[in-house]
Amino acid sequence: EVQLVESGGGLVEPGGSLRLSCAASGFTFNNAWMTWVRQAPGKGLEWIGRIKSKNDGGAIDYAAPVKGRFTISRDDSKNTLYLQMDSLKTEDTALYYCTSVGDGPKQTRYFDCWGQGTLVTVSS
Amino acid sequence: DIQMTQSPSSLSASAGDRVIITCRASQSISNYLNWYQQKPGKAPKLLIYAASSLQSGVPSRFSGSGSGTDFTLTITSLQPEDFATYYCQQSYTTPVTFGQGTKVEIK
Repeated sequence: EVQLVESGGGLVEPGGSLRLSCAASGFTFNNAWMTWVRQAPGKGLEWIGRIKSKNDGGAIDYAAPVKGRFTISRDDSKNTLYLQMDSLKTEDTALYYCTSVGDGPKQTRYFDCWGQGTLVTVSS
Repeated sequence: DIQMTQSPSSLSASAGDRVIITCRASQSISNYLNWYQQKPGKAPKLLIYAASSLQSGVPSRFSGSGSGTDFTLTITSLQPEDFATYYCQQSYTTPVTFGQGTKVEIK
């Protein structure tokens, strides 16, 4: 069974840092592209960034609101995805999901498996 | 960035109704369009990928169509478990962007 389990969320003051983890199981993690998506309370879905598999070059892309503050990384030996969040702002308060990226026809991509999310609250 | 606009933002329907949700992209995205369902307190679930391909395990009453800039998600014969919020998402280019969501409520 494919499973993603996020951890590391919590309450942090503005300007602080937090590292989220996403433990993957049930699929070949080192071949998978992975993403982070967040959802502010009562709001819609917002893509944060994506990391490709090392086989596909390992490139990382970020959304503009988090670029330069957030860092996505992966440890394929541990089947784990990370999100290092620095210089946190109140507007970063959200439920953070990790997802695996499926590969469809003609290189279409989609988010086929989601974790349960971990809540990050940025407040003084 | 590619803007994704869904309509309506919300709708009320009865079990057994046919429901159509539309999604428009601000530029052509070919068929790089996915649909997700999210129930309260749960993670989103993939329904449709590549505009019209049904994800494994998703009931056949869900279908998707469209190409270019205009897409639709159709639910034939709405079931009680289908009351949820639906999101479209483009994967044509980064940043990946989502529509604002369509909440399907019980009439």
